[in-house]
Amino acid sequence: NSKVIQTPRYLVKGQGQKAKMRCIPEKGHPVVFWYQQNKNNEFKFLINFQNQEVLQQIDMTEKRFSAECPSNSPCSLEIQSSEAGDSALYLCASSLGGNTGQLYFGEGSKLTVL
Amino acid sequence: GDQVEQSPSALSLHEGTSSALRCNFTTTTRSVQWFRQNSRGSLINLFYLASGTKENGRLKSAFDSKELYSTLHIRDAQLEDSGTYFCAAEDSGGSNAKLTFGKGTKLSVKS
Repeated sequence: NSKVIQTPRYLVKGQGQKAKMRCIPEKGHPVVFWYQQNKNNEFKFLINFQNQEVLQQIDMTEKRFSAECPSNSPCSLEIQSSEAGDSALYLCASSLGGNTGQLYFGEGSKLTVL
Repeated sequence: GDQVEQSPSALSLHEGTSSALRCNFTTTTRSVQWFRQNSRGSLINLFYLASGTKENGRLKSAFDSKELYSTLHIRDAQLEDSGTYFCAAEDSGGSNAKLTFGKGTKLSVKS
């Protein structure tokens, strides 16, 4: 039921390499979230945007990740220097925001760091 | 402790039977959402509730913001209901706040 598009579906990187994922939110949705889901199915919130502005982000994201949601371009999440512990499913979600905050997720980008 | 406590962690149902999943929250929650994740990793949004109950086909969800819990009832379970179900609580700190997810309930429906 979602029209959030994430690419690539899979990516494999060596430790220390950059890993970049993209997300096109559902049309008309100004709020975008990035989550990391590990192999134990645990979700970790990374960052969210309203239009181009960061609303919240965790410390790890601030230090090792680079994320943006430019106007008229896909949102992106980039790990500057991949670590083995970054292997996970990266999920992007979008919503209308406010009191209609139902989240719609993309299919995710599965990152494997060798 | 965890902000969102989801139970059970796993559930096995025969086709045609019914059951309920539950999430307890340890802090004030603005709203709750329920998702089903399939084997490919796709998350489908089942419900968004700020209060009360909602029903969609064989699924019904309730959210009690005062008693800090939410439930998801599955009636007449079908094979396609199999998957992992997650509840997620919206933090109370302003709109567009992040969601905190439970650890999931893995549901297997068998014929």
